[in-house]
Amino acid sequence: DQQVKQNSPSLSVQEGRISILNCDYTNSMFDYFLWYKKYPAEGPTFLISISSIKDKNEDGRFTVFLNKSAKHLSLHIVPSQPGDSAVYFCAASASDKLIFGTGTRLQVFP
Amino acid sequence: GAVVSQHPSWVICKSGTSVKIECRSLDFQATTMFWYRQFPKQSLMLMATSNEGSKATYEQGVEKDKFLINHASLTLSTLTVTSAHPEDSSFYICSAPVGLAGGIPLQETQYFGPGTRLLVL
Repeated sequence: DQQVKQNSPSLSVQEGRISILNCDYTNSMFDYFLWYKKYPAEGPTFLISISSIKDKNEDGRFTVFLNKSAKHLSLHIVPSQPGDSAVYFCAASASDKLIFGTGTRLQVFP
Repeated sequence: GAVVSQHPSWVICKSGTSVKIECRSLDFQATTMFWYRQFPKQSLMLMATSNEGSKATYEQGVEKDKFLINHASLTLSTLTVTSAHPEDSSFYICSAPVGLAGGIPLQETQYFGPGTRLLVL
């Protein structure tokens, strides 16, 4: 039973444009959501997070939106850069444990 | 920033042998560490929570006798895959939370190791 889902396994975006990565969850007890970036042969690195009491959090080029009624969150990257090419995981938490999505591979081309 | 290392980075072994994977927090102490595994094109799945000085807590469906966890010190946790089989081939990643600092939620301070790729022949 996948509690956190990323339905798009891959996304290709032109440099300078917006990248939108989506994530859906099923457990209404989740109270914290995070996005991680992962390069091959490396562990995930924390990118940005949002608490369930908020609907938006922005950090530079990265913005995370949370729609609790839809149990949906998204990560916006604008403008996208070639260095953003990686696998992005969303994760949800109801305690100290993290439940990860399946990841979306983002490729930003020139 | 905080660094978590894993050793080995990859290992190939014969079916039936045991493999030990180490997870170290290099510049901080971690009373808790987490072990994950990832199959190709799948998510990171939490296997167990390693607790320094006490027994590990395993997630549902994870065999504790199969995946032995020892958290012997504040900077080292080991995962031993006993009597490995080809279906145990996977990418194993550990993480360690730095801990609450300045009100930063614990989840944000989890630092991940680079992972260990296990191939069982």
